[in-house]
Amino acid sequence: SQQGEEDPQALSIQEGENATMNCSYKTSINNLQWYRQNSGRGLVHLILIRSNEREKHSGRLRVTLDTSKKSSSLLITASRAADTASYFCATDPVGGGYQKVTFGTGTKLQVIP
Amino acid sequence: DAGVTQSPTHLIKTRGQQVTLRCSPKSGHDTVSWYQQALGQGPQFIFQYYEEEERQRGNFPDRFSGHQFPNYSSELNVNALLLGDSALYLCASSYRNQPQHFGDGTRLSIL
Repeated sequence: SQQGEEDPQALSIQEGENATMNCSYKTSINNLQWYRQNSGRGLVHLILIRSNEREKHSGRLRVTLDTSKKSSSLLITASRAADTASYFCATDPVGGGYQKVTFGTGTKLQVIP
Repeated sequence: DAGVTQSPTHLIKTRGQQVTLRCSPKSGHDTVSWYQQALGQGPQFIFQYYEEEERQRGNFPDRFSGHQFPNYSSELNVNALLLGDSALYLCASSYRNQPQHFGDGTRLSIL
């Protein structure tokens, strides 16, 4: 079963705009991670945020975590055509076992040049 | 430094057959996890191997089994294939609590 749900399911923006995608999850977590997947390829780890952190930055990426609402958001600033991909959140639930991460359903991002 | 490599890249089987997928972890990694990703869905955790033992298992039937070798490489075996087993199978490796690195997967089609 999927622990997380990403929203929106699909997003289409112009190059240079910002893209925001959200993730909601169901149980308490140790950490939450965001991954990118280009069509037909494996997943690439983008960023990890721990349950005691509220915000984290990495280059053009900004991730927030609200454990009280069981939600996270990923912001990609100044988007590029190369950012076109599916984005997944993955949660490491408390008591779920060592690195037994659970992925959401993904947001498909299209950046139009 | 090679990342996670999986073989084969594509595979076509018929119902009832058996299949073996292979994974070589990234250099320095000792833990291998397998995921099944159906079209349009997120990856689903199958199981994880560490020190040649299955350490974690997701909600998959016993038809799915695996193995990890002393060099940390791993195999995923699926018996009595069903049409619903058609998916992208992803292998991920990691070291301790570091984030997982994924291979590009094996696309399995069941006819």
